[in-house]
Parts: sequence; C-alpha cells; structure tokens
Amino acid sequence: QVQLVESGGGVVQPGRSLRLSCAASGFTFNSHAMNWVRQAPGKGLEWVAVISYDGSNQYYSDSVKGRFTFSRDNSKNTLYLQMNSLRAEDTAIYYCARDRSSTGLSNIFDYWGQGTLVTVSS
Amino acid sequence: DIQMTQSPSTLSASVGDRVTITCRASQSISNWLAWYQQKPGKAPNVLIYETSNLESGVPSRFSGSGSGTEFTLTISSLQPDDFATYYCQQYKSYSLTFGQGTKVEIK
Repeated sequence: QVQLVESGGGVVQPGRSLRLSCAASGFTFNSHAMNWVRQAPGKGLEWVAVISYDGSNQYYSDSVKGRFTFSRDNSKNTLYLQMNSLRAEDTAIYYCARDRSSTGLSNIFDYWGQGTLVTVSS
Repeated sequence: DIQMTQSPSTLSASVGDRVTITCRASQSISNWLAWYQQKPGKAPNVLIYETSNLESGVPSRFSGSGSGTEFTLTISSLQPDDFATYYCQQYKSYSLTFGQGTKVEIK
C-alpha cells in the first residue's frame, strides 16, 4: 500500500533553517510528481511546492519562493524540503502528497502523509 | 493567484439531510477543480476531481458540478462518517489554491 512518512519537524527560531524529509513506499516513486502542502494550526490548507517525477522542475507558492527548496532522491524514494529564513507564519503541519498522475502532472493529491509539525518561535 | 471562496464556512445538518457546499473562483478555472474531505487530526482525502469525477472508493452519495467560476459539492444523504471539513482546490494554474474550508457539523 502507498505510504508517505514525513520527518524532520520541530521547534526552530525565526531566521533559522530546517530540512523536512518524506519517505515513500508502495508505489513507483519515480513516476509521480510530489507536493508539499501545509496547514497552520486550526487553519485551512495551503499548497507549498511541487516537484516533477524526475526532479527537473519545481514550482513554489509566492509565500515560500526564494526561501524553500524542494528536491528528491529517486534512488532513495525520498523527498526533501529545505526551509531557510523561517518565519513565524511558516508554523504549520507539513504534509507530503502524491500527484494522482503516474505519467504527468495532474495537480490532484491522491495520497498524503500524516504530516510533521514545524513550529517557528523564539 | 486565483482565490477560492467557499460558502458556508460552517454548516449544521442532520443524518439523512441533503447538503450542498459552494466554491467560487476569482476567475475562470474551467473544470479544474477538486474536493477534499478532512477529519480532525487526519490528512485530507480526495473525493472528486475535474469538477465531477468521483475518486475510486468514494461513496456515490458525493457528487460535484459546475464550471467556470462556480462549483458545488453535494452529499445526497448525509451519513455519520461525513461530518468533517471540506475543501475545494483549483488546479488551473500555479499557485494551486484551496478554499478556506466548510465544516459540516452535527445539528
């Protein structure tokens, strides 16, 4: 079965960095684009970034562009989200989510991890 | 960015009720709209994509309609498992955006 397991969350001071990981299993990882979606405590969903199946293309929300970098290692079935210059407003549960399409980019999220909480606070 | 606005924000209903949630886009998104259900403490699950296509395994009491800028999610007969928060999402263009959510509560 498809499994996505995020890790790397924690408490970090404003301006510092953190790297999240998402380990995938149960599907052909290198055939699917992948996403990060976040949710501030008690708030709605916010899309963060997408990476193509081969890692050659990424798109970011304006709120994280220039500060976050999304990468993947298809040999390890793992995603990475490098988060720099963190702000209080980046506090959220971060979910990795699989793109529904196995050959392209649908921008529909059919499997999600359980999420990892990032708290930016001094 | 395309803004998505859902109404109502909260909806109180009883088991067996027909429930409709509306999602409006700030500009036309054709039919590039999905709906998700999220229960407390859990990740969202996709219910419908491309406005009206039911995801595999989703009960047929869920349906979607609309086009352009106005869309609806309908639950034909609300079941106890359906009390949750629902989000619409446009995927016409980046940045992908979600509505603010509609919480369906027990009346």
